[in-house]
Amino acid sequence: DAGITQSPRHKVTETGTPVTLRCHQTENHRYMYWYRQDPGHGLRLIHYSYGVKDTDKGEVSDGYSVSRSKTEDFLLTLESATSSQTSVYFCAISAGGQGSSYEQYFGPGTRLTVT
Amino acid sequence: AQSVAQPEDQVNVAEGNPLTVKCTYSVSGNPYLFWYVQYPNRGLQFLLKYITGDNLVKGSYGFEAEFNKSQTSFHLKKPSALVSDSALYFCAVRERSSASKIIFGSGTRLSIRP
Repeated sequence: DAGITQSPRHKVTETGTPVTLRCHQTENHRYMYWYRQDPGHGLRLIHYSYGVKDTDKGEVSDGYSVSRSKTEDFLLTLESATSSQTSVYFCAISAGGQGSSYEQYFGPGTRLTVT
Repeated sequence: AQSVAQPEDQVNVAEGNPLTVKCTYSVSGNPYLFWYVQYPNRGLQFLLKYITGDNLVKGSYGFEAEFNKSQTSFHLKKPSALVSDSALYFCAVRERSSASKIIFGSGTRLSIRP
């Protein structure tokens, strides 16, 4: 988990409210990712970023938006939280670059409960 | 379409015995392959990767993995299991053409009994 922090670590929110999760890195890595982890599904990519202000959708992006205004910060917003978004959310980073295999390094996770 | 399968939800091994956690994949072209481990209430930790070259890859904590192109497999192995190896293990595959298309398996829970 070194070099990657996520905040908050735990959050309980009500259906219909907006929620923002923050990922902060000190590694100056180019790529940042948001995943959700649910039993039986492994990790599923929500959105990723390949540079400041450069983002793209993953396989489960509906209901989520992201922003990256600085290299070190990647924000995930649930625009109107639903119970199906109750999950553990992980941020990951990778250096990228020519010849890189893009192995990822993960933050400690945020446990989100939507009631 | 690229995919990863971990056919066993759980693997149980006695301490000191060899362990194998299975992974098969489907991807266009030559893959990048990864193994990660997750301990309770923690994020995933990178264990090892296959890029090219030697089919036997060595990683952290005494783990190794064998790449088999003909069987499209990348099984994780360790010669002698420790109780502290008990955790959730994920296999992942990436197409060489894209940084975003990294697919994770559903995970295998490894339980090492004393």
